[in-house]
Amino acid sequence: SQQGEEDPQALSIQEGENATMNCSYKTSINNLQWYRQNSGRGLVHLILIRSNEREKHSGRLRVTLDTSKKSSSLLITASRAADTASYFCATDGSGNTPLVFGKGTRLSVIA
Amino acid sequence: DAGVIQSPRHEVTEMGQEVTLRCKPISGHNSLFWYRQTMMRGLELLIYFNNNVPIDDSGMPEDRFSAKMPNASFSTLKIQPSEPRDSAVYFCAGSESASGNTIYFGEGSWLTVV
Repeated sequence: SQQGEEDPQALSIQEGENATMNCSYKTSINNLQWYRQNSGRGLVHLILIRSNEREKHSGRLRVTLDTSKKSSSLLITASRAADTASYFCATDGSGNTPLVFGKGTRLSVIA
Repeated sequence: DAGVIQSPRHEVTEMGQEVTLRCKPISGHNSLFWYRQTMMRGLELLIYFNNNVPIDDSGMPEDRFSAKMPNASFSTLKIQPSEPRDSAVYFCAGSESASGNTIYFGEGSWLTVV
């Protein structure tokens, strides 16, 4: 399966600290996406990184991709209590295949 | 656009009853996905449609599950008969195409089968 696996499963940090979440996958991909899910809500897209990109930024988010290691990381800098949520990576492989999601990392940011 | 609209948001039903979940995707999105989310299994893709045609239903757990998309603006996921193990959050999501694009999720239908 090309399903991504996030690590750690849960992460608790203090407000203002940086949060790093990792994602590993098994097969070649076209792109990798990160999504966020607040409790009781649907998933919301954060950022997409293509297989030929190594790093991408969006506000306080920084995503890296290492295709040789089949891994990605999501860094949230200067975290806020409002960043508390679950974060998922999702991959799509070659061909017109839909996204497959990991089980997510539950991030708690304590004020 | 109001985004992906799902109904009902919450449903509690008795085992053996039929459950119908509904979805209105974002206009212009050609691909529609039904996902199921549980603590144990995470987010599972049940079925997806391209241009109203079912493409891959290999994720549908059993024959008790069926999905239709009669037109570009409406889809249903039906469970008949429902069982307690079907309790989960069911998400409808849409995208411009099946692969390579952002997926837009609805807020989910929270199903409890007792």
